[in-house]
Amino acid sequence: QKEVEQDPGPLSVPEGAIVSLNCTYSNSAFQYFMWYRQYSRKGPELLMYTYSSGNKEDGRFTAQVDKSSKYISLFIRDSQPSDSATYLCAMIKAAGNKLTFGGGTRVLVKP
Amino acid sequence: GAVVSQHPSWVICKSGTSVKIECRSLDFQATTMFWYRQFPKQSLMLMATSNEGSKATYEQGVEKDKFLINHASLTLSTLTVTSAHPEDSSFYICSATRTGDEKLFFGSGTQLSVL
Repeated sequence: QKEVEQDPGPLSVPEGAIVSLNCTYSNSAFQYFMWYRQYSRKGPELLMYTYSSGNKEDGRFTAQVDKSSKYISLFIRDSQPSDSATYLCAMIKAAGNKLTFGGGTRVLVKP
Repeated sequence: GAVVSQHPSWVICKSGTSVKIECRSLDFQATTMFWYRQFPKQSLMLMATSNEGSKATYEQGVEKDKFLINHASLTLSTLTVTSAHPEDSSFYICSATRTGDEKLFFGSGTQLSVL
């Protein structure tokens, strides 16, 4: 079993809809959680960073962490075609450690 | 802030030659840099971790003599693919982190094609 599970998709939504992404993890030692967006043939771009259970909002993005359930989510409001990309969840136990990635979810936002 | 520059973005080389990829942190000092490899439609696979001034730590199954990593300064790490073969063709991505920071910042990646 992988340490971090993420549905590969693809997840197809119409423009303006809410995109809902999630990851589950098995190791309670993970303390810091990140969401990255990756366009084809580009490096991942950090979207959200959280370290405590609860919600964190940044513009159209909301990251949610539930450490008791070992479950994290990313919501994208008012989705745009430019949001079409692969979204990777990632988590780390402490600074300087290796980042553990989910497999990524491919998202398609149709105009 | 936290910009990581990777160069070149695309390289084609002949089988048997060596290729060097550079990764620079432009606006911060990167005590730790990571090198990843990514195959199409797959997630990132960590190859090695490098700390400034010390030898890189390679993941299991990664040949350290084929993938030479040098982290000579707090802003520069290089990956040299030695005696490249077609099976080394892949997308290589570097990332960097600041001391005490959990966040990783990624370069734009290098597509290597070995003919």
